[in-house]
Amino acid sequence: GQNIDQPTEMTATEGAIVQINCTYQTSGFNGLFWYQQHAGEAPTFLSYNVLDGLEEKGRFSSFLSRSKGYSYLLLKELQMKDSASYLCAVRGLLAGSYQLTFGKGTKLSVIP
Amino acid sequence: DSGVTQTPKHLITATGQRVTLRCSPRSGDLSVYWYQQSLDQGLQFLIQYYNGEERAKGNILERFSAQQFPDLHSELNLSSLELGDSALYFCASSVGGAGARGETQYFGPGTRLLVL
Repeated sequence: GQNIDQPTEMTATEGAIVQINCTYQTSGFNGLFWYQQHAGEAPTFLSYNVLDGLEEKGRFSSFLSRSKGYSYLLLKELQMKDSASYLCAVRGLLAGSYQLTFGKGTKLSVIP
Repeated sequence: DSGVTQTPKHLITATGQRVTLRCSPRSGDLSVYWYQQSLDQGLQFLIQYYNGEERAKGNILERFSAQQFPDLHSELNLSSLELGDSALYFCASSVGGAGARGETQYFGPGTRLLVL
């Protein structure tokens, strides 16, 4: 089966760096995604990892270790607008096809 | 703006009723996915359609059904509604349907359903 764990809530200061961890168990791993979701809005795509290592995209970076079933999302130079939920999603085999399984999300609060 | 559209934005109805949610995918995308998001459960995959055909089923109740039309828009039908069906319903689309590497799902703005 699929299982994804990430912290429920985190708080960080404006201008700082925060790391959001995600651990997973899946069958037929085929990629890990991070989405940002503001309250009541659609999830928006942030990053994708399928090979081990770090992917950098501006202020956001995402890391993957397939052997450890572990990923993190790194947000630098935090801004107030980064206050949102961050969803870790793993694409794996589900009932014969590749589907995304989402974690419950980490609610990040950025404080002045 | 992801390019995925959903209507209506909000829906209030009573228990036992039936509603239809509509989704139009991004131009060029052949797959449509439906998800349910409730406060305690997170995003739950319901069903996927690819180019008009059902591709995969997740945690979709028998009271729920979906279809994808020749113009690729999709509808999710929810019947015999219960209080517990109150949730945000998201549609997402992607280019293909087989989970190719790098293939990303883009989400619509969602429909907020309240069952009273």
